[in-house]
Amino acid sequence: NAGVTQTPKFQVLKTGQSMTLQCAQDMNHNSMYWYRQDPGMGLRLIYYSASEGTTDKGEVPNGYNVSRLNKREFSLRLESAAPSQTSVYFCASRPGQGSTEAFFGQGTRLTVV
Amino acid sequence: QQPVQSPQAVILREGEDAVINCSSSKALYSVHWYRQKHGEAPVFLMILLKGGEQKGHEKISASFNEKKQQSSLYLTASQLSYSGTYFCGTAYNQGGKLIFGQGTELSVKP
Repeated sequence: NAGVTQTPKFQVLKTGQSMTLQCAQDMNHNSMYWYRQDPGMGLRLIYYSASEGTTDKGEVPNGYNVSRLNKREFSLRLESAAPSQTSVYFCASRPGQGSTEAFFGQGTRLTVV
Repeated sequence: QQPVQSPQAVILREGEDAVINCSSSKALYSVHWYRQKHGEAPVFLMILLKGGEQKGHEKISASFNEKKQQSSLYLTASQLSYSGTYFCGTAYNQGGKLIFGQGTELSVKP
């Protein structure tokens, strides 16, 4: 029972490079999220998908794009990485019906140099 | 808009109690509480719903004041394992976006 799986776990990028962070869940959840975590800032919502085919901006969407490929997968793309995007990125999912807990992936630690 | 947590950090001795507060400027449907150990993912503790329904963790309790849009997490007789960063997450409607506060770092010393 994998839950929420994120790849990669670690990544170093040069400024201006692009990359996609992958997230997949096997719990048949409708809602999926991308957060970034920086010291003293908590978990800030980047993008949110309430269901397959829909996405919505969160608190800090600039510099990112997302794709809800199907019900299982929700990817986050950095088109032109900047040092300010150095962070730990967490993907999460929820059933989306009723008030239920969020399940988190193990995170991706991204460094942009 | 992020909910506001207080305090930002607290240090306890084993066996002491602590309260962590979470407040929102918008009307809330639900409040979630999570704990994160260093280098790990956040782990669910508890949900409090508008209307008073509560789900939770057997050794930690919480309250939700709908009029004030505030929630408090109560940790009693703290243990070393309680150390970590506590986050409250807020949702403004059923199944809506989950927005987290900035976190409260709790350290429990022997």
